[in-house]
Amino acid sequence: DAGITQSPRHKVTETGTPVTLRCHQTENHRYMYWYRQDPGHGLRLIHYSYGVKDTDKGEVSDGYSVSRSKTEDFLLTLESATSSQTSVYFCATSGSGLEETQYFGPGTRLLVL
Amino acid sequence: GNSVTQMEGPVTLSEEAFLTINCTYTATGYPSLFWYVQYPGEGLQLLLKATKADDKGSNKGFEATYRKETTSFHLEKGSVQVSDSAVYFCALSNNAGNNRKLIWGLGTSLAVNP
Repeated sequence: DAGITQSPRHKVTETGTPVTLRCHQTENHRYMYWYRQDPGHGLRLIHYSYGVKDTDKGEVSDGYSVSRSKTEDFLLTLESATSSQTSVYFCATSGSGLEETQYFGPGTRLLVL
Repeated sequence: GNSVTQMEGPVTLSEEAFLTINCTYTATGYPSLFWYVQYPGEGLQLLLKATKADDKGSNKGFEATYRKETTSFHLEKGSVQVSDSAVYFCALSNNAGNNRKLIWGLGTSLAVNP
């Protein structure tokens, strides 16, 4: 395991409120990713990071922002949560060099009412 | 662009049955190929991978061979157990510069009955 934790593990919030999810890794991996998983859609990439302060958009980035101020932490923020953002969110990491394997955290289940 | 197509589920088998989950891909270059498994309530974990044509990845009795001629990476297991019940994802690497991503199939749910 790559030592990836996510917090919180479960959250219920109301439409229009901001929400921040945290991913923390202890493996000094360069790359970090945020995915959402929804029935019928598999895994969809929201944002990813290729280094401290270096981030880029994935395929479903609207309504989400990220920040990475240090190697071990990658934050995902829902600026104003909507019901369509109810999902399970996974963080993943990947090291440098030839190793392309991604290692996943346990997930955060988010319900937006 | 690069893509992954895997067979739709759910797949339901009896214990000790033979398992095949099909995965085909479209890619430029020479991607690596992966199978991940997700047990209920957990995150994904790497099951096996292959980095070049004709490589065979194997783990926990599962196998998959990287077939460039048929652009396939089918997952097989000779005798499934109830504990293999999970969702299986096929993926391929899609790397260009800082853009290190995996392209994912939609997942195939497997249920094994005793």
